[in-house]
Amino acid sequence: NAGVTQTPKFQVLKTGQSMTLQCAQDMNHEYMSWYRQDPGMGLRLIHYSVGAGITDQGEVPNGYNVSRSTTEDFPLRLLSAAPSQTSVYFCASSRQTASETQYFGPGTRLLVL
Amino acid sequence: SQQGEEDPQALSIQEGENATMNCSYKTSINNLQWYRQNSGRGLVHLILIRSNEREKHSGRLRVTLDTSKKSSSLLITASRAADTASYFCATRDKETSGSRLTFGEGTQLTVNP
Repeated sequence: NAGVTQTPKFQVLKTGQSMTLQCAQDMNHEYMSWYRQDPGMGLRLIHYSVGAGITDQGEVPNGYNVSRSTTEDFPLRLLSAAPSQTSVYFCASSRQTASETQYFGPGTRLLVL
Repeated sequence: SQQGEEDPQALSIQEGENATMNCSYKTSINNLQWYRQNSGRGLVHLILIRSNEREKHSGRLRVTLDTSKKSSSLLITASRAADTASYFCATRDKETSGSRLTFGEGTQLTVNP
């Protein structure tokens, strides 16, 4: 199994541009989530999904959209990038719920100029 | 605010010494998880302790949980340079936060050879 994969690894955007961060898992996990990590800080939950077709907001959802059309994929869309969205983004998945072991992707480092 | 808070924020020790990190949380939980993050990488699950457990071991790791004090500790015995990483605790609020997993800000551990 490849586990949780994320693309791209690194991206530079200009303010106002949009882009989609890709996340995929091949473990047939129902629960998937997106976090952002800023320097010296822990992870903050952006959005999560408990299964295909179901998404919900986390702690810091503003400026981001998600969809879950398949079990495998959970893309994160930045609608109009802002410098405050400069961060490292991690996708994670688990078998069913947030209470179980989370498997993390390698992260996408995003710089918004 | 973060459900879990770790202390110390940073810890520097010599190889062979033990390292202890603490995590405090605010609400009732089902379980508490500890994760490790090597520099520039995603998080890796270390251990999960359920709310009805007081202590759990995994190799050189020992985790304790005191639900009356709403705190947990992670002990790494006989530390190695390869243990250098950030360590995070994560909890899911049993009462209110649905399927959200909340991470603390982490303890940066440096093990000097």
